[in-house]
Amino acid sequence: EAQVTQNPRYLITVTGKKLTVTCSQNMNHEYMSWYRQDPGLGLRQIYYSMNVEVTDKGDVPEGYKVSRKEKRNFPLILESPSPNQTSLYFCASSMAGGPYGYTFGSGTRLTVV
Amino acid sequence: GENVEQHPSTLSVQEGDSAVIKCTYSDSASNYFPWYKQELGKRPQLIIDIRSNVGEKKDQRIAVTLNKTAKHFSLHITETQPEDSAVYFCAASRVNQFYFGTGTSLTVIP
Repeated sequence: EAQVTQNPRYLITVTGKKLTVTCSQNMNHEYMSWYRQDPGLGLRQIYYSMNVEVTDKGDVPEGYKVSRKEKRNFPLILESPSPNQTSLYFCASSMAGGPYGYTFGSGTRLTVV
Repeated sequence: GENVEQHPSTLSVQEGDSAVIKCTYSDSASNYFPWYKQELGKRPQLIIDIRSNVGEKKDQRIAVTLNKTAKHFSLHITETQPEDSAVYFCAASRVNQFYFGTGTSLTVIP
């Protein structure tokens, strides 16, 4: 089944403790992206990647890092999480050459206390 | 950058009535306009999209219209059903940069 897999689904952590949210897609998509979803603000892009080793900032990149060492994986790293990063996070992927619609992962609800 | 505005933020309709959600965008270079449906606790899912060389697209009970001159596009849902209740997001895109509206919470009252 074609899908984008995120892990974990739920995460509660403490301020300052480094964490990684994993994202993997099995559709051979070139383009991958991370979004955060907050009430009243919709979906805001954090980082995106056009292909392996090619990443760029979205609209809200502060406090986040990403890497794209393999085509299928695009982890999101919070090196020192803060409470304002409490949010619902979605990874998404699409084919290159488009634009084409995204396939979203199932989401990660992160709480930073 | 692109700015996408979406209205209304909430919408309630009686089952069987039509629902219309409107979005405007600012960047004339945007050329792809998808709509996503997000049910409670689930991921956004693409329901319909339109490209800038097309004015209207229909898929069963849903349709999207695009007015490039005015920079606005709309989602139309006819004969609404309770399972249409969800949050709907519009987006504007060029290449692979997507900008989303803030969402419309649609409630279909049986």
